[in-house]
Amino acid sequence: GAGVSQSPSNKVTEKGKDVELRCDPISGHTALYWYRQSLGQGLEFLIYFQGNSAPDKSGLPSDRFSAERTGGSVSTLTIQRTQQEDSAVYLCASSYDGSYGYTFGSGTRLTVV
Amino acid sequence: QQQVKQSPQSLIVQKGGIPIINCAYENTAFDYFPWYQQFPGKGPALLIAIRPDVSEKKEGRFTISFNKSAKQFSLHIMDSQPGDSATYFCAARLNTDKLIFGTGTRLQVFP
Repeated sequence: GAGVSQSPSNKVTEKGKDVELRCDPISGHTALYWYRQSLGQGLEFLIYFQGNSAPDKSGLPSDRFSAERTGGSVSTLTIQRTQQEDSAVYLCASSYDGSYGYTFGSGTRLTVV
Repeated sequence: QQQVKQSPQSLIVQKGGIPIINCAYENTAFDYFPWYQQFPGKGPALLIAIRPDVSEKKEGRFTISFNKSAKQFSLHIMDSQPGDSATYFCAARLNTDKLIFGTGTRLQVFP
């Protein structure tokens, strides 16, 4: 596609449930990033995939968060046993090879009730 | 040392004014400094970027000023318009590592 696609655009879930957020990067982009944006806050780095290298997971806030990238393309961010503090907009971005600017998706707004 | 500090948190200007947003960093190894613009409900979009070997870069009404010795860089918006009302983020990166973002500045431009 022409841009980075994220789904769903909105997700409301009950506390304690697991959720999966999906990101479809721009075709041919080898680098993929997940960030979290809480209301009125900046962009908090979560995880970074670059080609076949081991992902940089240094931003994941707890072991309830995990992500995978299959076939060097689509990525899924999974949050287990969701908590209210997980409520935020989760943004995915991709880059041609990590040396250029990012293209962001429109994000998934997660609300934990 | 990985932080990027951004100010002000919010900014209100009249149409035609020149808002200035400032960022400071600690890691002297950072080699790429972009600015992103974000409208409500959308992801951030790359606006303009600079590398530390130049002191200024202009693209249309947007200018980045870079002061390597002070470890600071700023975004200037010339002849600001109501359509420029958005949240602006500075960022910094080392090589092909992930971007480290500032906390954002919400700009409002009134007619």
